[in-house]
Amino acid sequence: KAGVTQTPRYLIKTRGQQVTLSCSPISGHRSVSWYQQTPGQGLQFLFEYFSETQRNKGNFPGRFSGRQFSNSRSEMNVSTLELGDSALYLCASSSGTDTQYFGPGTRLTVL
Amino acid sequence: GNSVTQMEGPVTLSEEAFLTINCTYTATGYPSLFWYVQYPGEGLQLLLKATKADDKGSNKGFEATYRKETTSFHLEKGSVQVSDSAVYFCALSEDSWGKFQFGAGTQVVVTP
Repeated sequence: KAGVTQTPRYLIKTRGQQVTLSCSPISGHRSVSWYQQTPGQGLQFLFEYFSETQRNKGNFPGRFSGRQFSNSRSEMNVSTLELGDSALYLCASSSGTDTQYFGPGTRLTVL
Repeated sequence: GNSVTQMEGPVTLSEEAFLTINCTYTATGYPSLFWYVQYPGEGLQLLLKATKADDKGSNKGFEATYRKETTSFHLEKGSVQVSDSAVYFCALSEDSWGKFQFGAGTQVVVTP
């Protein structure tokens, strides 16, 4: 089975812009979670989607949003980018067996 | 709320040395516990997991035992290799689908 894929792998944006990141889960997985990883804050949970519905949400401002499509692919969007949004964004998928499988991440740099 | 605490790194070892990374947790229920590993420039890979008290997870020579009485899930390996150099994350999950709580990560550096 193919693993979790994320596109793009690298992004450079400037402050004030918006960005959309994409995640394709492992085939058959219906749950997709997103995490932000930074050196200072570590791994922080953003949100989780299941069957196109957001089921869990972390403590991030409304500039961070996401969605999930009927084929379980997910996107997350960050609007009005700030320097502090520079991070590795990780997507993980799960089939409900309590184990999450992670993609390689998207490295976002905000200048 | 739930939390995971793991020992700070970096942990520097010589090849073939014994590795222990301490991890303790607080949780309101009965979580599943995990160790993930992250190699430079990559995402997280599941290393091992345990779903109930006294379970032992093992993989690639790494082991960890779910200790409910001490709320711990320490990672051990008897003889490390240079290729084990990575950042190791302890994590817990209290439901089958949703969010994980991760520790801060422990960098391990193995020298020849």
